[in-house]
Amino acid sequence: KQEVTQIPAALSVPEGENLVLNCSFTDSAIYNLQWFRQDPGKGLTSLLLIQSSQREQTSGRLNASLDKSSGRSTLYIAASQPGDSATYLCVATGGGNKLTFGTGTQLKVEL
Amino acid sequence: DTAVSQTPKYLVTQMGNDKSIKCEQNLGHDTMYWYKQDSKKFLKIMFSYNNKELIINETVPNRFSPKSPDKAHLNLHINSLELGDSAVYFCASSQDVRGGASYNEQFFGPGTRLTVL
Repeated sequence: KQEVTQIPAALSVPEGENLVLNCSFTDSAIYNLQWFRQDPGKGLTSLLLIQSSQREQTSGRLNASLDKSSGRSTLYIAASQPGDSATYLCVATGGGNKLTFGTGTQLKVEL
Repeated sequence: DTAVSQTPKYLVTQMGNDKSIKCEQNLGHDTMYWYKQDSKKFLKIMFSYNNKELIINETVPNRFSPKSPDKAHLNLHINSLELGDSAVYFCASSQDVRGGASYNEQFFGPGTRLTVL
């Protein structure tokens, strides 16, 4: 059974700082690894999707890496802004297109 | 144009009632899903349907019954609502249920916040 864990659970940083969110998963037999963002009381926004054959994906100030063999993924956010404040979810896709969500990292970027 | 839509956005009801949440996708996808996000913000899959057939059925009480009249719709009907059913329910869809480069990205609806009093 796939389990996805995210560290830290919560993070508060000053504006402009670079930061790394960590994700680990127990079953390396995944099709892809996604990072989502969820704003309070709102839906899910897909940020990056890394296929199992890929090592990383980049979008703007975001960079996500994937190491299947070690069961790890990281989300790097450069030059953080207050608008980046949200909960970030790491999600592993397994057989049957089943998504297993991580526990989430609640990020607060302060002025 | 909303890709995956859910109605209602908010639903407040009494214990013991029966309610439905509707989901529609206009992406032409074959597979649809229901997820539950509990009070601790943990998201977990409940069901998935591929072309109107049940694919995934996690350990969900049989008070929850998904209904798929066609592949663009997957409605969630809940009987005899309980306090513990209070959560945010998300619908999602993907082009196909198979793994692979372009088939399995899931697109989520905005969520329905269900409150059972």
